[in-house]
Amino acid sequence: EAGVTQFPSHSVIEKGQTVTLRCDPISGHDNLYWYRRVMGKEIKFLLHFVKESKQDESGMPNNRFLAERTGGTYSTLKVQPAELEDSGVYFCASSQLGQVYSYEQYFGPGTRLTVT
Amino acid sequence: GQNIDQPTEMTATEGAIVQINCTYQTSGFNGLFWYQQHAGEAPTFLSYNVLDGLEEKGRFSSFLSRSKGYSYLLLKELQMKDSASYLCAVRVPGTYKYIFGTGTRLKVLA
Repeated sequence: EAGVTQFPSHSVIEKGQTVTLRCDPISGHDNLYWYRRVMGKEIKFLLHFVKESKQDESGMPNNRFLAERTGGTYSTLKVQPAELEDSGVYFCASSQLGQVYSYEQYFGPGTRLTVT
Repeated sequence: GQNIDQPTEMTATEGAIVQINCTYQTSGFNGLFWYQQHAGEAPTFLSYNVLDGLEEKGRFSSFLSRSKGYSYLLLKELQMKDSASYLCAVRVPGTYKYIFGTGTRLKVLA
């Protein structure tokens, strides 16, 4: 079974440009999450989709970030316009939907974003 | 506030036992997870504790004390491949999101 995949693995853009990150969750996982790790800091939650609906977007830093999950399959995270402080590793994770809270989240390898 | 503390780095010898501690102060608790992350790779799930006590899984065990806000991950018979970062994460009640610690970088020496 394929794991969570993310594209691209690395992206280097200039301040003010736009970047779109993509995440393909494990097939059948209705929960999809975005997290971010800024250099030297902990991984921080950005938002959570259940199927195509945003369940929790309390971690989104500002309105330069837009996440979508049309059709409830893959998700995109767009940063527009990018700022220097947006540099970091963006992780996507997915998990099963159900009543069992022990379901762990499966993480992708991350997209390393560098804004210059 | 939400705070999870782990040591930044640890070093141990191949074949030895190492204990990685995690303390948390969070506004609620709904499970504690340990993940392993090799450099440049995805964090991978190791263990889950929601009740007090020890959970054992092969060479890895995880312990939880909710009253003390404390957990540890115990790695036995260390192997070189265990060199990685170990992330402690607490799930926020009523949500699926994790609060992570900064991770503990473990180096296993021959």
